[in-house]
Amino acid sequence: KAGVTQTPRYLIKTRGQQVTLSCSPISGHRSVSWYQQTPGQGLQFLFEYFSETQRNKGNFPGRFSGRQFSNSRSEMNVSTLELGDSALYLCASSYGLAGAGEQYFGPGTRLTVT
Amino acid sequence: QQQVKQSPQSLIVQKGGISIINCAYENTAFDYFPWYQQFPGKGPALLIAIRPDVSEKKEGRFTISFNKSAKQFSLHIMDSQPGDSATYFCAASGGATNKLIFGTGTLLAVQP
Repeated sequence: KAGVTQTPRYLIKTRGQQVTLSCSPISGHRSVSWYQQTPGQGLQFLFEYFSETQRNKGNFPGRFSGRQFSNSRSEMNVSTLELGDSALYLCASSYGLAGAGEQYFGPGTRLTVT
Repeated sequence: QQQVKQSPQSLIVQKGGISIINCAYENTAFDYFPWYQQFPGKGPALLIAIRPDVSEKKEGRFTISFNKSAKQFSLHIMDSQPGDSATYFCAASGGATNKLIFGTGTLLAVQP
């Protein structure tokens, strides 16, 4: 069974631009969660989508948004990029809701904002 | 109450030794406690997980010890190998917290 895939793997953007990241979960998994990982803040939860509905949201500004499609694939969008948005963005998939059991992470998208 | 406190921040162990990483939580509603291993440039990989109905779970060289009354759990890596050198994260979820709360990570270096 293929693992969680994320595209692109690396991205360089300029402050003020917007960016869209994509995540394909493990086949059969219905939940996709997004995390931001930085050296200073560690792994921070962004949001979770389950059956195309946002089920949970972390403490991030509204510039961070996401969606999930009927095939469970998910996208995350960050608008008006700031230097502080430079991070590794990870998505994780699970069969049930994220807090209930095993979550499997993708390799991440490394976003650099200049 | 939502925090998971992890220690130590970094750890150096000799090959063949035992690596021990500790985590503590406050939310008594937490009922799922996984450990993740992350290598540089990779996403975290689920290593082993435990639920509060058992006090210990072992998978190969990796063991989770769980103390419900103390609200602590720990990861023991027996016979540590250089290939175990990575960052380890504990996490917890449960109750109204339908998301994983991660510890701050432990950078483990196993010296040959």
